[in-house]
Amino acid sequence: GESVGLHLPTLSVQEGDNSIINCAYSNSASDYFIWYKQESGKGPQFIIDIRSNMDKRQGQRVTVLLNKTVKHLSLQIAATQPGDSAVYFCARGFGNEKLTFGTGTRLTIIP
Amino acid sequence: NAGVMQNPRHLVRRRGQEARLRCSPMKGHSHVYWYRQLPEEGLKFMVYLQKENIIDESGMPKERFSAEFPKEGPSILRIQQVVRGDSAAYFCASSPGVVATNEKLFFGSGTQLSVL
Repeated sequence: GESVGLHLPTLSVQEGDNSIINCAYSNSASDYFIWYKQESGKGPQFIIDIRSNMDKRQGQRVTVLLNKTVKHLSLQIAATQPGDSAVYFCARGFGNEKLTFGTGTRLTIIP
Repeated sequence: NAGVMQNPRHLVRRRGQEARLRCSPMKGHSHVYWYRQLPEEGLKFMVYLQKENIIDESGMPKERFSAEFPKEGPSILRIQQVVRGDSAAYFCASSPGVVATNEKLFFGSGTQLSVL
């Protein structure tokens, strides 16, 4: 069946360094992927998305890479800041109606 | 422009009671989604509704759970005869149309349900 998972449950990064959060998916059907950020006590917040016919997409300080050959998705955050500390989820859209979320990676920024 | 509003933020119920969770979508949004999140886990889809219609309830437990999105008023997720396993954070999300790359889901802050 469809699934989305993450390689590491936690990640600690020095402030100012770049962060890379990874995600793997198991189905070859092409749809779209989204990265969400969830801070404690809050709902997920959209960061960036990418369609399956793309390899890379950039936003402000963030880049998403999609490797369809190995079914791998990554989120790169440049020059991490304390405010980047949160749990990051990748999610996959199946059709246009609902998202399937991974289990999340907790990113901790070390001052 | 207020975001997705959920209330209450915290809800405590005893086993066997009913829980009613409310969600007001963003202004102009006619599509509502409910997700459940257990501690240290990702969100799990429950149900997708449009005004007065349930579009997809494939993630809803067959018993005790129901959802509605009336023509007027908020969307309601109702859990009857709650059990401890229902304890979780319940998130509502809304979108202006069918979710695609450019139609992003906007999430509320969630309702934390605790069943004693």
